[in-house]
Amino acid sequence: NAGVMQNPRHLVRRRGQEARLRCSPMKGHSHVYWYRQLPEEGLKFMVYLQKENIIDESGMPKERFSAEFPKEGPSILRIQQVVRGDSAAYFCASSEGRADNYGYTFGSGTRLTVV
Amino acid sequence: AQSVAQPEDQVNVAEGNPLTVKCTYSVSGNPYLFWYVQYPNRGLQFLLKYITGDNLVKGSYGFEAEFNKSQTSFHLKKPSALVSDSALYFCAVRDKRTGTASKLTFGTGTRLQVTL
Repeated sequence: NAGVMQNPRHLVRRRGQEARLRCSPMKGHSHVYWYRQLPEEGLKFMVYLQKENIIDESGMPKERFSAEFPKEGPSILRIQQVVRGDSAAYFCASSEGRADNYGYTFGSGTRLTVV
Repeated sequence: AQSVAQPEDQVNVAEGNPLTVKCTYSVSGNPYLFWYVQYPNRGLQFLLKYITGDNLVKGSYGFEAEFNKSQTSFHLKKPSALVSDSALYFCAVRDKRTGTASKLTFGTGTRLQVTL
């Protein structure tokens, strides 16, 4: 079992470009969560998805950010027109069912640097 | 709303000594509580969780945590620290009463530094 796979590990974008972060959950996991970790800060919840559905996007910025988890393929976190403040580590986690029963399994993260 | 407080940014302890990393929580109902550890440039690894039952929960790598409902705390402990325990530790909570949205809320993390 390869665990939660995130790619790329490191991503550098110029201001105004788009960033696409991918997350493949563990085999058999149908729940995906995205968190952002700013330097020297804790993890902030962004969005919770199940296959083809956004369950909770209360942590997503209203503009420029979007997420999807299609029927086939990885979950994608998309940031349009990136700004320097988007520089952070973005972590994806997956669970078999509700996180309270099963906990999360985290990926190693994508470190986004906006220059 | 649910929240977690980790009052110490950093905890320093000598190898072989006991360690405690503090966590307090706030939820409307009963909590599910978790501890995770993060090593440099890595994702978070699950250590242990409290769902129900015994207040003392044992987890990975010799860690344990004690749930105290009256103090709304879930402190992480280890009887004898190792240098390899040095890492960033996160406490997380979820309110049992939350419906299908089951996100965990994390604290800001405590950096544990174990020295020889």
